[in-house]
Amino acid sequence: DGGITQSPKYLFRKEGQNVTLSCEQNLNHDAMYWYRQDPGQGLRLIYYSQIVNDFQKGDIAEGYSVSREKKESFPLTVTSAQKNPTAFYLCASSRVGRGYSNQPQHFGDGTRLSIL
Amino acid sequence: AQSVTQLDSHVSVSEGTPVLLRCNYSSSYSPSLFWYVQHPNKGLQLLLKYTSAATLVKGINGFEAEFKKSETSFHLTKPSAHMSDAAEYFCVVIGWLGARQLTFGSGTQLTVLP
Repeated sequence: DGGITQSPKYLFRKEGQNVTLSCEQNLNHDAMYWYRQDPGQGLRLIYYSQIVNDFQKGDIAEGYSVSREKKESFPLTVTSAQKNPTAFYLCASSRVGRGYSNQPQHFGDGTRLSIL
Repeated sequence: AQSVTQLDSHVSVSEGTPVLLRCNYSSSYSPSLFWYVQHPNKGLQLLLKYTSAATLVKGINGFEAEFKKSETSFHLTKPSAHMSDAAEYFCVVIGWLGARQLTFGSGTQLTVLP
């Protein structure tokens, strides 16, 4: 079955440490997204990428970085500059292009990041 | 600009009774609207979507939603709640920029009582 795989499911970060969250999809989708979810809030967009080797900042990109070297993969690095990284992180993907502008995103099962 | 307001942060129903989760939206364009469901520590699963076809949209697990342009609403309903429906539900509007312009509501936590 096609889908989105996020790993690890749980991750702990020490002060001053960078950590990388993995996101892989086998849906052949061009676009991928990273969201942050905090309790009682909706999802907020961190970064998105519509094509390999290109990505754009979302609403809350500060303290995060991404890369898109392969169509299937869109890893997110939470840097030490992100002072409040404890949250649930969700990766998503979607089709792009003509005829796909109103298509929904497909989500992975998330990574929960906590601070030690 | 676009926005989504989920009118209730928590809804509690008894098993077998109807479910109503309310969503109002604002958008400068003809919107596409979705409802997603999220179970604890899981990703979001698409329940249903409205993309300017029929205004009454049927989704998975017996849920449906009606797009009412005059009321700028897209409420989610189910005739009879099941224990497995207990989860958080998100109303989402998609803007003219496509999937990269999703705006999420703040969510409604549905509790189903035995």
